[in-house]
Amino acid sequence: DTGVSQDPRHKITKRGQNVTFRCDPISEHNRLYWYRQTLGQGPEFLTYFQNEAQLEKSRLLSDRFSAERPKGSFSTLEIQRTEQGDSAMYLCASSLGGGGITDTQYFGPGTRLTVL
Amino acid sequence: KQEVTQIPAALSVPEGENLVLNCSFTDSAIYNLQWFRQDPGKGLTSLLLIQSSQREQTSGRLNASLDKSSGRSTLYIAASQPGDSATYLCAAITGTYKYIFGTGTRLKVLA
Repeated sequence: DTGVSQDPRHKITKRGQNVTFRCDPISEHNRLYWYRQTLGQGPEFLTYFQNEAQLEKSRLLSDRFSAERPKGSFSTLEIQRTEQGDSAMYLCASSLGGGGITDTQYFGPGTRLTVL
Repeated sequence: KQEVTQIPAALSVPEGENLVLNCSFTDSAIYNLQWFRQDPGKGLTSLLLIQSSQREQTSGRLNASLDKSSGRSTLYIAASQPGDSATYLCAAITGTYKYIFGTGTRLKVLA
């Protein structure tokens, strides 16, 4: 299967610890997106990459959050000094990035973070 | 700022009923609108994508319509089944290719 994959699927951590999530997009996709979904809400946009360049960041992405896509392939999302409010599902998506009106995003299974 | 609203927030129906889920958006300048299904604790499964030039899309028992001028989309599910139980999300796709999601409709189909 060549869909979007995320690792780990679940992460439980204590408040104040750092965590890192990985996303592997569909192989030929140039764009990669991160979203956060809290309980009972729809996903909210965090950031996106065109190849290795991070082109847009939401105000939701505080200084404790950093995302990278060093070689334009997989991406990592790191949260430093986690807080209980960071508990959420973190979703990754990718798209071809060819522009136009058909740049459909394909979503991964998500990483569920629980901060105790 | 684009805002997406879904009504109802939750719905419980007996098996076999036809049902309609509603999605409204405040800015009609969207590229596409997409409907997703999300099972508890899982990621998103794409159901239907409607491009701005289209008015509807169909897949099996699902039909989605789009009326940009009124800022509305509906997802019609025919002959509902217990396996349809899930949360249904709509997303308005803006010019920046950013998906703006609604809060979802939690559907429960009773056997």
